[in-house]
Amino acid sequence: DIVMTQSPLYLPVTPGESASISCRSSQSLLHSLGKIWLDWHVQKPGQSPQLLIHSASKRASGVPDRFSGSESGTEFTLKISRVEAEDVGIYYCMQGLQTPYTFGQGTKLEIK
Amino acid sequence: EVQLVESGGGLVQPGGSLRLSCAASGFAFKTYWMHWVRRAPGKGLEWVSRINEDGTYTTYANFVEGRFTISRDNARNTLFLQMNSLRVEDTAVYYCVRDLGGQGGYWGQGSLVTVSS
Repeated sequence: DIVMTQSPLYLPVTPGESASISCRSSQSLLHSLGKIWLDWHVQKPGQSPQLLIHSASKRASGVPDRFSGSESGTEFTLKISRVEAEDVGIYYCMQGLQTPYTFGQGTKLEIK
Repeated sequence: EVQLVESGGGLVQPGGSLRLSCAASGFAFKTYWMHWVRRAPGKGLEWVSRINEDGTYTTYANFVEGRFTISRDNARNTLFLQMNSLRVEDTAVYYCVRDLGGQGGYWGQGSLVTVSS
């Protein structure tokens, strides 16, 4: 199974500042057809999870441009600029290259 | 508006069975792969199973061990998860997810399954 490792697991942020979450995969997530099978999902308090980023760097429909994803080999980063109170939640990276799909442990973002 | 509405969860004794349903609306259900993902209390997200567009191909997580069966009825726009031989460790909120890993990823609101004596 592909192992996904996130850091940090807890991320307190001051509103208006930026935040970064890292995710490392145990093997390449690049498919032969060129797609990178890495998603970022967030589960806000009291809600079901929602897709933020797919293919490592492509924002899902309706996601603000404050959210961006990047990749370098097996290292992936979710950056949130100008953090707002509504961004509180648990952020997960996920690989969909092969089954079983696997998630990172989750990063809990809280507002200071 | 896209909607995925799960139902069928509840309290069941160890060794018992439950059938989850997920009613889809607002999109062309028959054109998407569908998945089940769960979140146990205090734990993270865990992928359970997937099914292709016409229901002819399915995949399961190792921990399922032949106990769960995913299926779909495209005429009724509904996804199912039949869960047998349930264990205490299967206690979780089960989410129906459209196109997990793709640009159309969308989660349902979840259905709580509690396995306890």
